[in-house]
Amino acid sequence: DAKTTQPNSMESNEEEPVHLPCNHSTISGTDYIHWYRQLPSQGPEYVIHGLTSNVNNRMASLAIAEDRKSSTLILHRATLRDAAVYYCILIADKLIFGTGTRLQVFP
Amino acid sequence: AAGVIQSPRHLIKEKRETATLKCYPIPRHDTVYWYQQGPGQDPQFLISFYEKMQSDKGSIPDRFSAQQFSDYHSELNMSSLELGDSALYFCASSLASPIGELFFGEGSRLTVL
Repeated sequence: DAKTTQPNSMESNEEEPVHLPCNHSTISGTDYIHWYRQLPSQGPEYVIHGLTSNVNNRMASLAIAEDRKSSTLILHRATLRDAAVYYCILIADKLIFGTGTRLQVFP
Repeated sequence: AAGVIQSPRHLIKEKRETATLKCYPIPRHDTVYWYQQGPGQDPQFLISFYEKMQSDKGSIPDRFSAQQFSDYHSELNMSSLELGDSALYFCASSLASPIGELFFGEGSRLTVL
């Protein structure tokens, strides 16, 4: 299975933009790039996904490098409720979680 | 909107006992995934089903079995429980094609004493 690499933790202040990076140098042509986040004792929550083009939705934006070997999840204005573990995941036919980035948001 | 329903939410069992967890996917979703998440750990994929057939298998112990029924709900059966089986068990559902988002349930917390 393709692997992703993310920083263990990141910090942000409220109302500031947050850029969460993910490296996936072994990505194959059929792998979709998914992002999920998880709050303590809750199930993971879908954030966004894409294949080649940048994507925007009400929660976030996903910027995908031209060679698809890396991507960045962008939270435009962090809130306290965005504090969670963010997982970058490559999916062809199943979803395998990596270690994720723990995002802390300070008021 | 209806979400993924898991039951029971909490379960306490003794070692060597048996436990059954149930998952009711979002209506019209044809794929179900089971994950195990130990304390402070990342979710580990156990097994998945597509159209009532097992589609993939992860790090699921032989003591565990699962199936998907005609109404698409799924059950995870765990026998000869060990202390290390204590974890949050998540079920997720999706449409198989095109590959879209997975919807996770709230999880079933199993405690083995």
